[in-house]
Amino acid sequence: GAVVSQHPSWVICKSGTSVKIECRSLDFQATTMFWYRQFPKQSLMLMATSNEGSKATYEQGVEKDKFLINHASLTLSTLTVTSAHPEDSSFYICSARGELGNSPLHFGNGTRLTVT
Amino acid sequence: AQSVTQLDSQVPVFEEAPVELRCNYSSSVSVYLFWYVQYPNQGLQLLLKYLSGSTLVKGINGFEAEFNKSQTSFHLRKPSVHISDTAEYFCAVSDGIQGAQKLVFGQGTRLTINP
Repeated sequence: GAVVSQHPSWVICKSGTSVKIECRSLDFQATTMFWYRQFPKQSLMLMATSNEGSKATYEQGVEKDKFLINHASLTLSTLTVTSAHPEDSSFYICSARGELGNSPLHFGNGTRLTVT
Repeated sequence: AQSVTQLDSQVPVFEEAPVELRCNYSSSVSVYLFWYVQYPNQGLQLLLKYLSGSTLVKGINGFEAEFNKSQTSFHLRKPSVHISDTAEYFCAVSDGIQGAQKLVFGQGTRLTINP
């Protein structure tokens, strides 16, 4: 079945550094990818919608310059957390769907980011 | 705007007992409804979905849900749970065509199965 791979699964970084998270669709071409953020024991909050070859659409309240999204190919989207701070520590999850209008949505296994 | 409310943050159940996880939604347009399961430190796995047609939807792992338009509910049920069902369950709604898939999630319900 369709698989979405996220890398890394967990990362620890120092405050002020940047971290890149990759989301890959392994056996299908993903025209649209979504990035979510999940705080402990809370629900998923959509951060942005990423379309291949165009700029991402950010949800209200999400800083575009802090959370850089690149969707340069049909199988890869990246989320870069720039100048990370402890409050950015969270679980980040991506999801992707294929090109067809009725393609289902597939989720990655998430990335746990801890900023010290 | 759409919203999803999961009425129970935690549901403890004994093994082999039945369970119902409640979900209510609000939307001014037609909706598409989903239930996802999340195991610790993992992404989400689709249990089932309602797009149209029969209001009783059967999913994986023995789960089913019933869409009730008059009560704006989409409760998840399983007649007999197993230890392996221990996980976080999320109800979600989408207002567009399936392909849009911009989901709004509920707060989640932690299902704990006790032996």
